Amino acid sequence: EMVLTQSPGTLSLSPGERATLSCRASQSVSSNYLAWYQHKPGQAPRLLIYATSSRATGIPDRFAGSGSGTHFTLSIARLEPEDFAVYYCQQYGRSYLFGGGTKVEI
Amino acid sequence: QVQLVESGGGGVQPGRSLRLSCVASGFTFSAHALHWVRQAPGKGLEWVALISFDGTNRKYADSVKGRFAISRDNSKNTMYLEMTALRPDDTALYYCARDGLGGLPFDSWGQGAAVAVSS
Repeated sequence: EMVLTQSPGTLSLSPGERATLSCRASQSVSSNYLAWYQHKPGQAPRLLIYATSSRATGIPDRFAGSGSGTHFTLSIARLEPEDFAVYYCQQYGRSYLFGGGTKVEI
Repeated sequence: QVQLVESGGGGVQPGRSLRLSCVASGFTFSAHALHWVRQAPGKGLEWVALISFDGTNRKYADSVKGRFAISRDNSKNTMYLEMTALRPDDTALYYCARDGLGGLPFDSWGQGAAVAVSS
C-alpha cells in the first residue's frame, strides 16, 4: 500500500524566509502524477503544482516543485503573509492519495 | 467562472444514510471526471471517490467501498455521493473537486459540506 509521508509536520518561519517541504513516497511515483495543494482554514484547497514541477494557473513563481522517484519537494522562495497555510502532496492518475500535510506557520 | 457547490450535509446517527450533492457551473460539466475528498476534524485530506466524465467508471477508497456510491447527472450538472451505513469516523467536511483536463489533477474545488455522524 502506497504511503506519502510529508515532513516536517510543522514549519515555523517568518515572512521573507524560504520554505522547503518534503514528500516521500513508499513506492516510486511517476513524476507526471505528483501534485501539491495549499489549504487555508475555511477555504477550498488550491492546486499549486502538478506533474511535479508545473505551476497551476495564477500561481506565483515563488512556488517551485521538484523531485523524482520517491522524494519530492515544494519550495517557497520568499514567504508572503498569505502563504501561511497547510500544504499537501498528492499522487494522482491511476490512484489517488494525499500526504498528511505540512503546516507552515509564522 | 468555475463553481462547485456542495449541499446535503448535516447531522445523522450511526448506521443511517445521507446524500450529498455537488452542483457545477462555469464549465462543460460532461467533459470532466469528478471526485469527492473529505477532511475529518483536525486531520488531513482523504480522497473518497471518483466518477469518470460519463459515469461509466467509478472508484472508491477502501474506507468507504461498499457503503458509499458516487453518481452524476450530466443533464443537471450535478454529482452525488450516497452515503449509507454511516459511522462516526465518516464525520468530515466533504469537498467535491473537478479533475482537470490534459493531465491536471484536482484543479477546482467546492467549499465543502459538513457531515457529522453521532448518536
